[in-house]
Amino acid sequence: QVQLVESGGGVVQPGRSLRLSCAASGFTFRSYAMHWVRQAPGKGLEWVALILYDGSNQYYADSVKGRFTISRDNSKNTLYLQMNSLRAEDTAVYYCARDGGYGAIYYMDVWGKGTTVTVSS
Amino acid sequence: SFELTQPLSVSVALGKTARITCGGNNIANKNVHWYQQRPGQAPMLVIYRNSNRPSGIPERISGSNSGNTATLTISSAQAGDEADYYCQVWDSNTGVFGGGTELTVL
Repeated sequence: QVQLVESGGGVVQPGRSLRLSCAASGFTFRSYAMHWVRQAPGKGLEWVALILYDGSNQYYADSVKGRFTISRDNSKNTLYLQMNSLRAEDTAVYYCARDGGYGAIYYMDVWGKGTTVTVSS
Repeated sequence: SFELTQPLSVSVALGKTARITCGGNNIANKNVHWYQQRPGQAPMLVIYRNSNRPSGIPERISGSNSGNTATLTISSAQAGDEADYYCQVWDSNTGVFGGGTELTVL
């Protein structure tokens, strides 16, 4: 079955870096754009980043632009999120999600269970 | 940037119809998607492209989009429908979520 499993979360000090991974299975990973979405404690969903199926283009929320980098390795069926210069406000559950695949109509049709990132000194 | 406005909470009696709105400037010109998030769980897509249901989503859940408001309608509300619901659009190369609506089934 279609599955996304995030890993790499943890507690990190402000200003440090962390890399999240998302292992995909059960579908042709290289054919789908992929998203990262986060949810701060007790708050709503916030879209973070999108990468196209072949990695040719990436898009970011203003709140993470210049600090976070989304990438993928289609040979390993894995999505990544490199997070640098972390701030307390980056504390959240980070979800990996598959794009629905309707061209430029981007939405998330399959979600992972999430990995928790806590930025604290 | 495009903004989506949802009511913080909606209540519905068991077996009745709940309507959750998502407001945005000329939102009818956009494709709206809806997600359900039960407590402690990851979000799940329930409506995509305004009114389409993924496989496994019951027909009593429907969506519409007109003017400045998109609406998620849940008929014959059940206890299992209690959750947070989020609308989402894609605008100017950015994903945008509404603030979310907590649905309570009385």
